[in-house]
Amino acid sequence: GAGVSQSPRYKVTKRGQDVALRCDPISGHVSLYWYRQALGQGPEFLTYFNYEAQQDKSGLPNDRFSAERPEGSISTLTIQRTEQRDSAMYRCASSWRPVNLNTGELFFGEGSRLTVL
Amino acid sequence: AQSVTQLDSHVSVSEGTPVLLRCNYSSSYSPSLFWYVQHPNKGLQLLLKYTSAATLVKGINGFEAEFKKSETSFHLTKPSAHMSDAAEYFCVVSERGGANNLFFGTGTRLTVIP
Repeated sequence: GAGVSQSPRYKVTKRGQDVALRCDPISGHVSLYWYRQALGQGPEFLTYFNYEAQQDKSGLPNDRFSAERPEGSISTLTIQRTEQRDSAMYRCASSWRPVNLNTGELFFGEGSRLTVL
Repeated sequence: AQSVTQLDSHVSVSEGTPVLLRCNYSSSYSPSLFWYVQHPNKGLQLLLKYTSAATLVKGINGFEAEFKKSETSFHLTKPSAHMSDAAEYFCVVSERGGANNLFFGTGTRLTVIP
């Protein structure tokens, strides 16, 4: 597509429910990243993929969070048994370069704002 | 350890006057530094980057930033603000390379007054 597309743009859910956030990167982009941004803070790294391989998930806060990119294109970030502290903007970014060759230029989507009641 | 501090959470300037957004970094190595901009309801966009070449870096839309190692600073400037510059700006540091090692500041919201 023309840009990185994220859905849903807004999600309100009740505590304890599972949510899935989707990211459709720019066509042909090799690497894909997930960030989380709390209110008043900068984005914080969660995980990234080169093609379909999840190379680093050290930023995922706990085992309720998982991500996949099964065909090396669209990615899904899943949060199980949501808690109020999970409320944040979740941002996806992609790049045509693999992570280790990337000098920091990422193309970001508009984000998915999650509110857990 | 690496970190970045954006000294002002909000900056207001009048249209046509200079813009200065301040950023100080901390890094154990020679870092790469970036400024990203986020316009309302848009994704973050790379404005400019420093990766150990020229210390004065020019970016898009007339912005530039100067890497000053002695001051550990990477301030963003523009000679004349335009209404379209109103946005949130993030300073970013990476000391080990690789796009998975980007550390974002807390952001500075720029308001441009007509």
